[in-house]
Parts: sequence; structure tokens; C-alpha cells
Amino acid sequence: EVQLQESGPGLVKPSQSLSLTCSVTGYSITSNYWGWIRKFPGNKMEWMGYISYSGSTSYNPSLKSRISITRDTSKNQFFLQLNSVTTEDTATYYCARVGYSSHVMDAWGQGASVTVSS
Amino acid sequence: DTVLTQSPALAVSPGERVSISCRASEGVNSYMHWYQQKPGQQPKLLIYKASNLASGVPARFSGSGSGTDFTLTIDPVEADDTATYFCQQSWNDPYTFGAGTKLELK
Repeated sequence: EVQLQESGPGLVKPSQSLSLTCSVTGYSITSNYWGWIRKFPGNKMEWMGYISYSGSTSYNPSLKSRISITRDTSKNQFFLQLNSVTTEDTATYYCARVGYSSHVMDAWGQGASVTVSS
Repeated sequence: DTVLTQSPALAVSPGERVSISCRASEGVNSYMHWYQQKPGQQPKLLIYKASNLASGVPARFSGSGSGTDFTLTIDPVEADDTATYFCQQSWNDPYTFGAGTKLELK
């Protein structure tokens, strides 16, 4: 059974970078796609982007200048970096497995709460 | 971006049938998916590609629709179904989510 677990700082200062790790067990990240989604206070959810089995990436255009998703296949982990954060980036960040053809998010991590505040 | 519109909240009694709607601002083919999220938990996939039941999900849940109008049906509703239900499309870039429908039991 695939399991995903997010980790990283829970507090980030404005203008700095937010960095999160998603550790995957029970499934290789060299298969499928692997994505990041965030949920803002108030319930709105936003798809941020994904990295594919081959290492190619796709990002939400609203974040394109600030986001980077990378991976370490030797550790079966993938990463989110979001630059120049503001208080509006305060959210719960989820990593998820994304299906090949339908791009449905069929397995999710528990989520990591990140607050942007000085 | 494709806007997905859901009704904000519904209240039903256990044993009843409930339908949760999701309307897309433009066509998404059949690439509409439904998730259940309970407080403090991660989203759980219920239905993928409009009408396909995800693994391990009870047959009380079903989905229908295509194009711009989609429905998640729970029949019969059980007490454990208290949650927020999100629709999400993966046909148009960027992928988008509905605002969620909070289901409460009377």
C-alpha cells in the first residue's frame, strides 16, 4: 500500500522560501506522477503542480515563477520549493500520487501545516 | 481557469439519499473526480472520471455526469458520511477544485 508523508518547517518568514519533502513508501516515484496541493484557511484547495515518472514537471501558471518540484529517486522522495512567500501562502500542504491517464489524486499524505509569519 | 461550483452545505437524515452537484464553467469531458475530507484528515478519493468507484469505497457512493454537470450521490447516507465533499477536474490546465459541499446529518 502506498503511503505518503510530508515534512518540513511549520513556520516560514515572509519573503523566504518554503521547502517541503514528501517521503513515499510502498510505491516507486519512478512510476506515475507526484503532485502538491494546498488547502487554504477557509477550505479553498489549489493544485500546485506535479513531477512525472521521468522527472518532467508541470506547474500551476499562477505559481510558475515561484515554484519548483524536484525529486530524489534514491530516497523515493520528492520536494516542493516555493519562493518569496507571503502570508497568503499560509496553508496546509498535501503531497499526492497522481494517476497516469486521468491525473486523479488517488493517494494523499496527511498534510503539513505551514504558516507564513514574521 | 475552470471554475467548479458546488452548493455550500446540505443536511440530510441517515438512511436518505443525497445528491451533491458540481458545475464546471467549461467542459471537462469525463475528467471529474470526487473526494471526501473529514476534519483533520487528508482528502480521500471516492469517484474518478465521473462515475468510477475508487478501490475500497462503499457502493453507496456513485457518480454521474459529463461535460459540465456532475453529481455525487450517496444512498443511503450513514452517520459516518459527515464530511466535506470536493469535486476536482483534470481536463483543463490548471487543474481546479470546487469549494466543497459540507454534508451534515440531522
